[in-house]
Amino acid sequence: EAQVTQNPRYLITVTGKKLTVTCSQNMNHEYMSWYRQDPGLGLRQIYYSMNVEVTDKGDVPEGYKVSRKEKRNFPLILESPSPNQTSLYFCASSLRRLAGDRELFFGEGSRLTVL
Amino acid sequence: GQNIDQPTEMTATEGAIVQINCTYQTSGFNGLFWYQQHAGEAPTFLSYNVLDGLEEKGRFSSFLSRSKGYSYLLLKELQMKDSASYLCAVRPLSGGSYIPTFGRGTSLIVHP
Repeated sequence: EAQVTQNPRYLITVTGKKLTVTCSQNMNHEYMSWYRQDPGLGLRQIYYSMNVEVTDKGDVPEGYKVSRKEKRNFPLILESPSPNQTSLYFCASSLRRLAGDRELFFGEGSRLTVL
Repeated sequence: GQNIDQPTEMTATEGAIVQINCTYQTSGFNGLFWYQQHAGEAPTFLSYNVLDGLEEKGRFSSFLSRSKGYSYLLLKELQMKDSASYLCAVRPLSGGSYIPTFGRGTSLIVHP
């Protein structure tokens, strides 16, 4: 089954304790992205990657890191989490091609609480 | 940059028709998406418009006017399960990237 898998789905942590949210897709998609979603603010892009070893900042990259060592994986790293990073996080992927719908496929979301 | 506007909230009656509007301003345009998102769940793809006109898909239709920077999502024969947030997303045309920017979403409440 084609899917985007995120882990963990739920996490409560404390300020300053490094954490990683993993994202994996099995559709051979070139493009992957991380979003955070907060009430009243919608989906905001954190980082994206157009292919292996190619990453770039989105609209709200502060406090986050990413890596793309393999095509299928795109982990989101919070080196020193703070309470303002409490949010619902979504990983998404799509094909990068010139024609066609190129729809985004989303993971199920990871709800992170930083105390 | 891009600016996407859609109403924050709408209510409608079961069985009725509702139209959710989306206006956008973008430096380049390469398609507009509509996604549905139920509370606490991932967004799911509804439609994609790249040319002007109406695209119909069952109870849902999406319209695009590129010259006006305007789209709408039309939901017919509303059902209770249509209560969700509807996200408009615009894909720009810049430097070969196809990264969509999302609006803040319209929360649709369907009541009996």
